[in-house]
Amino acid sequence: GAVVSQHPSWVICKSGTSVKIECRSLDFQATTMFWYRQFPKQSLMLMATSNEGSKATYEQGVEKDKFLINHASLTLSTLTVTSAHPEDSSFYICSATWGALGLTDTQYFGPGTRLTVL
Amino acid sequence: GENVEQHPSTLSVQEGDSAVIKCTYSDSASNYFPWYKQELGKRPQLIIDIRSNVGEKKDQRIAVTLNKTAKHFSLHITETQPEDSAVYFCAASKGGSYIPTFGRGTSLIVHP
Repeated sequence: GAVVSQHPSWVICKSGTSVKIECRSLDFQATTMFWYRQFPKQSLMLMATSNEGSKATYEQGVEKDKFLINHASLTLSTLTVTSAHPEDSSFYICSATWGALGLTDTQYFGPGTRLTVL
Repeated sequence: GENVEQHPSTLSVQEGDSAVIKCTYSDSASNYFPWYKQELGKRPQLIIDIRSNVGEKKDQRIAVTLNKTAKHFSLHITETQPEDSAVYFCAASKGGSYIPTFGRGTSLIVHP
């Protein structure tokens, strides 16, 4: 149980284009989803937290107009990297949790999406 | 906000040896401490977690200890095997919040 998928697993795009990454909870309803960015040999950097039906909360320093997050349903959140540039190349990972506040703290991670911007 | 320090950044051991990774946290209100294992190019996987009402938890070759007074917790892996080689992340979070603060990670290398 508690499986999270991401699509695509890797994507290569040209500079200036937009890329959408999907994160799905396959066997549970995710009340909260998180988006992380990870550079090689570094830790997970939280970009934003999204709750179904409400606007995402972005971490300081993350441009919300560049990284658009939509959490339209309890099983799907999307991250769109708009006008991508080579410096946006990274490993993007989502995670999900379920239950009301305090019922569970465990995050289940997706497999990640490797974005390369040429 | 919470600050989590993790040491060492790299740990190299021989197969069969024990490995210990330590983390310290700053916010005394944190009460949930998970450990994740991430193999190269893959997702982080929860391997063990501990809550603040418990001092130690074991799962086969893996154990986690928590010292609330000193605000540190440790991951212990006994009888290490080459497949234990990965990056391990600790994290700390408060009750009522799902957002853990992650440590910088420890690259564990187990030599056959």
